[in-house]
Amino acid sequence: QQPVQSPQAVILREGEDAVINCSSSKALYSVHWYRQKHGEAPVFLMILLKGGEQMRHEKISASFNEKKQQSSLYLTASQLSYSGTYFCGTVYNQGGKLIFGQGTELSVKP
Amino acid sequence: EAGVAQSPRYKIIEKRQSVAFWCNPISGHATLYWYQQILGQGPKLLIQFQNNGVVDDSQLPKDRFSAERLKGVDSTLKIQPAKLEDSAVYLCASSSILGRGQETQYFGPGTRLLVL
Repeated sequence: QQPVQSPQAVILREGEDAVINCSSSKALYSVHWYRQKHGEAPVFLMILLKGGEQMRHEKISASFNEKKQQSSLYLTASQLSYSGTYFCGTVYNQGGKLIFGQGTELSVKP
Repeated sequence: EAGVAQSPRYKIIEKRQSVAFWCNPISGHATLYWYQQILGQGPKLLIQFQNNGVVDDSQLPKDRFSAERLKGVDSTLKIQPAKLEDSAVYLCASSSILGRGQETQYFGPGTRLLVL
């Protein structure tokens, strides 16, 4: 039931764009995105609900494709501060628990 | 607003010893979670409390792990006896809404456990 994230790792230059995908084999109720810097706690970015709109956090946005049971995180004009590991968490039904993917390590270089 | 507090931040123990972690959630948050995060993996839910009642403990290894939240505020997670594979970061999180799948979970800094 764990969602699958891709890619596993990505290296960017400052200002470049990136997309991180989170795929599920089961129908999703909601998708949560978190960023975790090394040695720190995961920090909430956004929640996408089934049937909901695309969400945005600063220059990071995300979408939820119900047909594909997939969420994508779009990082636009990346900044050095975007570096970290991005986790998606999936909930399969109302009241269900959050199940995290294995993470995507993003590294932004000057 | 103060965040989720956890202590200790680091702990090194020998296998078969016992260890306890403490968590104080954000004030007013009724729901509290304990996660285990093994290096290179996403957090895995061990137990979820709503006030002082257990909502989900299906992934808690109950032969060695126990958790309580007696007054519906702070919580303690215990491991007794510890195994090598328990080496991980133990994260506590809290949210203000009972899990409807829409709540934001706020994480504490975690306790990094090394079992030798």
